[in-house]
Amino acid sequence: RKEVEQDPGPFNVPEGATVAFNCTYSNSASQSFFWYRQDCRKEPKLLMSVYSSGNEDGRFTAQLNRASQYISLLIRDSKLSDSATYLCVVNIYNTDKLIFGTGTRLQVFP
Amino acid sequence: DVKVTQSSRYLVKRTGEKVFLECVQDMDHENMFWYRQDPGLGLRLIYFSYDVKMKEKGDIPEGYSVSREKKERFSLILESASTNQTSMYLCASSPVGVGNSPLHFGNGTRLTVT
Repeated sequence: RKEVEQDPGPFNVPEGATVAFNCTYSNSASQSFFWYRQDCRKEPKLLMSVYSSGNEDGRFTAQLNRASQYISLLIRDSKLSDSATYLCVVNIYNTDKLIFGTGTRLQVFP
Repeated sequence: DVKVTQSSRYLVKRTGEKVFLECVQDMDHENMFWYRQDPGLGLRLIYFSYDVKMKEKGDIPEGYSVSREKKERFSLILESASTNQTSMYLCASSPVGVGNSPLHFGNGTRLTVT
């Protein structure tokens, strides 16, 4: 079983739609969680950290469910520019290791 | 703005060649990392370094070595390139503690070994 699992997609949604991605992790010692965004043929960039109480950054909302070991990313009012691959990333307690999921591809169409 | 620069965007090498991938960061970050990214496998950590002359194996170090002689520079070396090392290689840096600070990636080197 992969340490971090994501649905690869693609998720094809119209502009203005709300879309959500989940990511499950297997190591209960995971302590920090992130969403990175990777545009086609570009490097990954941090989108947002995920906090225990959930957090929002504009149209993006991240949630953490430790009991069920998953994190989620909700995008409201999708824009064409949101088209990218979204990587779920987990840091294991007391290590400097980041475990990357394989990513979920989002395609927003007009 | 943090800048992580990888020396080559595209590289084609022959089987058995020794290959050097260079990475330089300009923000005085302590940590530097080398990943490879393959379809369906995501990013996998090859090696990382906490400080000058220090290195730690990641998840897939076999067939690779690294060098960090200066804080800003982290080199990945393929001692004898093989076709299964054809991949996208990404260098990254972070100040300290990846649990609390983001990784800053270079724009990648796409290596093809023929």
